[in-house]
Amino acid sequence: EADIYQTPRYLVIGTGKKITLECSQTMGHDKMYWYQQDPGMELHLIHYSYGVNSTEKGDLSSESTVSRIRTEHFPLTLESARPSHTSQYLCASSPLDRADEFEKLFFGSGTQLSVL
Amino acid sequence: LAKTTQPISMDSYEGQEVNITCSHNNIATNDYITWYQQFPSQGPRFIIQGYKTKVTNEVASLFIPADRKSSTLSLPRVSLSDTAVYYCLVEGAGNNRKLIWGLGTSLAVNP
Repeated sequence: EADIYQTPRYLVIGTGKKITLECSQTMGHDKMYWYQQDPGMELHLIHYSYGVNSTEKGDLSSESTVSRIRTEHFPLTLESARPSHTSQYLCASSPLDRADEFEKLFFGSGTQLSVL
Repeated sequence: LAKTTQPISMDSYEGQEVNITCSHNNIATNDYITWYQQFPSQGPRFIIQGYKTKVTNEVASLFIPADRKSSTLSLPRVSLSDTAVYYCLVEGAGNNRKLIWGLGTSLAVNP
């Protein structure tokens, strides 16, 4: 089983608050991702990282930021939460192996964020 | 846009075999086919992956015809706990590829 953890599991917060969603993995994976998913909808990539000090924006425009100071840790921060940020946030990791190998993602259980 | 097309939903009963077919007409030579399972309020979980012909593991089988324009995930003797959304993705190898997720197939297993 994958060892990737997200906290908190659920978060209800008021508009304008700063929040940080935590994601940690103990598998030593270099690649890490943040996805956003609304109920019954697709996963949308919002941020990814290929390793320490590497961060990139994904395909979905997001007002969040990420950092990757340690291999195992990839937190996502919202400076000022708004009701439009209400969604499920999923963190994933993947080993960065040979270029000819396929991608296999390991996901955390997600953080369900509600902004009032 | 997702690179794959699959039914939005399917219904089945406990003990039946379920086959979910995914179309990927524009699959590239170096693309792999990967299936994930997602339960409500959870992250997706890798099920199976293949390139051609047939792949089987302890959870499912994946059938890929010679032209690779479609693939079929086969779940033997489903149980209520197999109720989930199943995603079919195609993507090439390489470090700069990002998976594109569609809506998946919502499978409901009834008693």
